[in-house]
Amino acid sequence: GENVEQHPSTLSVQEGDSAVIKCTYSDSASNYFPWYKQELGKRPQLIIDIRSNVGEKKDQRIAVTLNKTAKHFSLHITETQPEDSAVYFCAASRGGNEKLTFGTGTRLTIIP
Amino acid sequence: GAVVSQHPSWVICKSGTSVKIECRSLDFQATTMFWYRQFPKQSLMLMATSNEGSKATYEQGVEKDKFLINHASLTLSTLTVTSAHPEDSSFYICSASGGTGWGGYTFGSGTRLTVV
Repeated sequence: GENVEQHPSTLSVQEGDSAVIKCTYSDSASNYFPWYKQELGKRPQLIIDIRSNVGEKKDQRIAVTLNKTAKHFSLHITETQPEDSAVYFCAASRGGNEKLTFGTGTRLTIIP
Repeated sequence: GAVVSQHPSWVICKSGTSVKIECRSLDFQATTMFWYRQFPKQSLMLMATSNEGSKATYEQGVEKDKFLINHASLTLSTLTVTSAHPEDSSFYICSASGGTGWGGYTFGSGTRLTVV
């Protein structure tokens, strides 16, 4: 089955700096790669996703890049703000009604 | 947008009793429902996948007789934790797939289960 690895497990950055979180996946048939932000005790909140027919997608301060050949994808957050502090999860799926496999998570702390 | 309502949001039960968690898709037909468990400071681990009208598919290591999943309709799926023990205390969350045009996965709000 799919295996998703995520690094780093914790990340602290100064407010205003950029944060990068990286994930690798094992199933070459995966074609949908979402990123979630999770507050304590809450549901995962989709912040951006990418499908395998594109290599990069951007939404304001957030961007995701995908390298299908190397089977890795990354989350980039620019101009970080204190409210960006949370746990972030990457995930991978074959899409449709196939299961979603999560990475191990990254606790991001923005230092004011 | 697609909404999945999950109840209860939290529950405390005694060891040996059973607890039922419900997930309802409010504005779309959830052809597939995924059930996850999340322990503190850990990731979401898939427990099982259920399709409407058929038996659930459980992930390796998940006891199907302990975690009963029913997906009898396109809008309702339930997870029953039977004979609960303290080690079953966790955050349980459902996720539905099947919205129009496949917009991804819609998560319920989660259920915090504490077994005492």
